[in-house]
Amino acid sequence: GAGVSQSPSNKVTEKGKDVELRCDPISGHTALYWYRQSLGQGLEFLIYFQGNSAPDKSGLPSDRFSAERTGGSVSTLTIQRTQQEDSAVYLCASSVDRAYEQYFGPGTRLTVT
Amino acid sequence: RKEVEQDPGPFNVPEGATVAFNCTYSNSASQSFFWYRQDCRKEPKLLMSVYSSGNEDGRFTAQLNRASQYISLLIRDSKLSDSATYLCVVTSQAGTALIFGKGTTLSVSS
Repeated sequence: GAGVSQSPSNKVTEKGKDVELRCDPISGHTALYWYRQSLGQGLEFLIYFQGNSAPDKSGLPSDRFSAERTGGSVSTLTIQRTQQEDSAVYLCASSVDRAYEQYFGPGTRLTVT
Repeated sequence: RKEVEQDPGPFNVPEGATVAFNCTYSNSASQSFFWYRQDCRKEPKLLMSVYSSGNEDGRFTAQLNRASQYISLLIRDSKLSDSATYLCVVTSQAGTALIFGKGTTLSVSS
């Protein structure tokens, strides 16, 4: 079946602009996660959604970052007033439920110039 | 101390070699453990879960030592296609997020 999809695959933006990244999880997966991977760094957890529960936002690096998940499916990660240090690959993952195997999307490569 | 530590490598081995990767984690409350594989400029993919009793999947064997907070991955009879970065992963204390090591790079040559 279809895997996790993300769009856009690449995004180049100017410093100070806002960006929106989209994630379509695998159908039926209740848990959705956002991570980012900076050059030479490991994957860093950002935020977790589980069903209708309040999201775990403990990994968001600043208040410029926010995410929502509409209808328990599609999620959007928004970065306001982008900075150069926001340049990274943003990865979305979904799983049947928490603690189950997470399936990753191909990521969005964000470059802030 | 980093939450998950791995030797970054690279490990350069010939085809057919046996290679072992090690990983330590700092949070004794972590409940689930995994090895993920990541190819260059691709997303991570689950290689195998790691259980306290140890588990094997073909040429791959994973071990967990909870007392030492240590995880290992053994690859036997290495293939060219095994070349990738291997990520040691544990769940967060809340059991929600995955905490990734920075990965160990393996290069298998003919």
